[in-house]
Amino acid sequence: QVQLQESGPGLVKPSQTLSLTCTVSGDSISSGHYYWSWIRQPAGKEPEWIGRIHARETPTYNPSLKSRVTISLDTSKNQFSLRLSSVTAADTGIYYCAREDLVLLPASAYYYYGLDVWGQGTTVSVSS
Amino acid sequence: DIQMTQSPSSLSASVGDRVTITCRAGQHIANYLNWYQQKPGKAPKVLMYDASTLQSGVPSRFSGSGYGTEFTLTISSLQPEDFATYYCQQNYNIAQLTFGGGTKVEIK
Repeated sequence: QVQLQESGPGLVKPSQTLSLTCTVSGDSISSGHYYWSWIRQPAGKEPEWIGRIHARETPTYNPSLKSRVTISLDTSKNQFSLRLSSVTAADTGIYYCAREDLVLLPASAYYYYGLDVWGQGTTVSVSS
Repeated sequence: DIQMTQSPSSLSASVGDRVTITCRAGQHIANYLNWYQQKPGKAPKVLMYDASTLQSGVPSRFSGSGYGTEFTLTISSLQPEDFATYYCQQNYNIAQLTFGGGTKVEIK
């Protein structure tokens, strides 16, 4: 059974960098079968997709956050990480990591089943 | 980005009721739509892909329909465990997934 677990500081100061790690068990992120994503959700609002990474591709980032986001893989630890720079109070919320079932096909086609396994989420507050 | 708008934002219903939630896309998205269920304090759970195909293990009382810009999620007979918030999510623009604002289904 695949499980994901987020970890990282719960409090970050404004203008600093938020860093979170997602540890995956029950699946190998280096297998290339799935994509691995970060999603965040401010209190009382809808989720916002941050970006995804695959073992054999460069990451894809939400254009609205692209200038501040870095997602990376550590295959030796079966982990993937999120870094979000220059944070403000607007970056406060619950951060989730998730497995994404996306199959790329020729000619830019793809098949998408969704974010099918999620971590429990970790709350991050941006405050001085 | 593709805006997703859900209605209503909340509804009250009783066990056994038929419930319908609407999701509208800001542009044509074919059937590139997922539905998620989120219970308080929990991560979202994917219910459906391709607008109408149930994920494995999702009860058949859930159904989805729609194409283009208008979609619906229907629960044919609401059960106690279905009280939750439901989100639609488009994947037509796979490089910028976006979610609807959510519909909270509450107990009447």
